[in-house]
Amino acid sequence: DAGVIQSPRHEVTEMGQEVTLRCKPISGHNSLFWYRQTMMRGLELLIYFNNNVPIDDSGMPEDRFSAKMPNASFSTLKIQPSEPRDSAVYFCASTKIEGRYGYTFGSGTRLTVV
Amino acid sequence: EDKVVQSPLSLVVHEGDTVTLNCSYEVTNFRSLLWYKQEKKAPTFLFMLTSSGIEKKSGRLSSILDKKELFSILNITATQTGDSAIYLCAGGSGNTGKLIFGQGTTLQVKP
Repeated sequence: DAGVIQSPRHEVTEMGQEVTLRCKPISGHNSLFWYRQTMMRGLELLIYFNNNVPIDDSGMPEDRFSAKMPNASFSTLKIQPSEPRDSAVYFCASTKIEGRYGYTFGSGTRLTVV
Repeated sequence: EDKVVQSPLSLVVHEGDTVTLNCSYEVTNFRSLLWYKQEKKAPTFLFMLTSSGIEKKSGRLSSILDKKELFSILNITATQTGDSAIYLCAGGSGNTGKLIFGQGTTLQVKP
């Protein structure tokens, strides 16, 4: 199994630009989570999906952030417009809803907004 | 509000020392407590604990959960420089698989 696949690995963009982060969960996993990690705030849950349906988006910082999961094998996190304070590492993780096996994290996308 | 608090936030020890990392949690519909190790990239899974008082071991690492006191510890014996990492504790909520993470403990093991 290839694990959770995220792309791109690194993204540098200018303030005001749209950024799209992508995630392919492990096949058979039916929960998908987007986290953001910074030195100041640690790992913050942004949003998660069960069976492709968004369950809790209370962690999404503001309307500039949106996430979709059009099918069981793909999810996107979009920031429009991006700001320097969005600079962070964004992780995607997947698991089975039963939560028995814990998460598997992707390698993350390091986003830098200048 | 769900909360997971780890202590200490950082720790510096020498090879061969034993360390204990602490995690307290307040998680709605608590289901499980997980420990992860994060080096340069993504967190990697160490343990999942669901029952009080049952120690889980993997080599020099062990962990135990106290559901009455809402507390878990991670022990590392005979530490090695390769144990240097951020150790994350997370509380699992309900049946959704949602995890609430603590801030992490940064462990540095010096030769």
